[in-house]
Amino acid sequence: DTGVSQDPRHKITKRGQNVTFRCDPISEHNRLYWYRQTLGQGPEFLTYFQNEAQLEKSRLLSDRFSAERPKGSFSTLEIQRTEQGDSAMYLCASSLGETGELFFGEGSRLTVL
Amino acid sequence: EDQVTQSPEALRLQEGESSSLNCSYTVSGLRGLFWYRQDPGKGPEFLFTLYSAGEEKEKERLKATLTKKESFLHITAPKPEDSATYLCAVSGGGNKLTFGTGTQLKVEL
Repeated sequence: DTGVSQDPRHKITKRGQNVTFRCDPISEHNRLYWYRQTLGQGPEFLTYFQNEAQLEKSRLLSDRFSAERPKGSFSTLEIQRTEQGDSAMYLCASSLGETGELFFGEGSRLTVL
Repeated sequence: EDQVTQSPEALRLQEGESSSLNCSYTVSGLRGLFWYRQDPGKGPEFLFTLYSAGEEKEKERLKATLTKKESFLHITAPKPEDSATYLCAVSGGGNKLTFGTGTQLKVEL
């Protein structure tokens, strides 16, 4: 399978716990994005990497959120001290070059109890 | 700040009944308008990119058009497999897409 893969697909956690999501983009894609989507809403931009450099972060991304893309390959999104408002689908996407044609993974659904 | 408004929120069609979905946008310097399809529990799937007013793109039963203020996704003779949420997004600069809330389409036999 050469698509974008995300792990885990589902995560249930208790408020205050830390969670980490992983994204493996399409191998030749140099750009990687994280979006968040809640029920009935469109995806909201969180952050963007070009190769290993994190070049843009949304104001939505509080200091409890951190993302990395070591060596410009896979990426991780960590949420510390989770809150119920963090419950959402976390979508990863990748692209080759500057384009709005993003290839999305199937998402990691987070439920914070 | 870029804004995208989609209408209607939900649309129910009979198989073969053509219709259009609307996407109104506000952006400072449109770099591209994008249509995506999203099935339940899945990530969005890219459909079209439109760059300038007057541009049209077609794919099977779908045709996307663009004016200076809005875009339409026309669905001709839809089939049940066209049922999905259709998302519109704009790029106004930077590296992010701003999405609308989508139109949930249901096509019935």
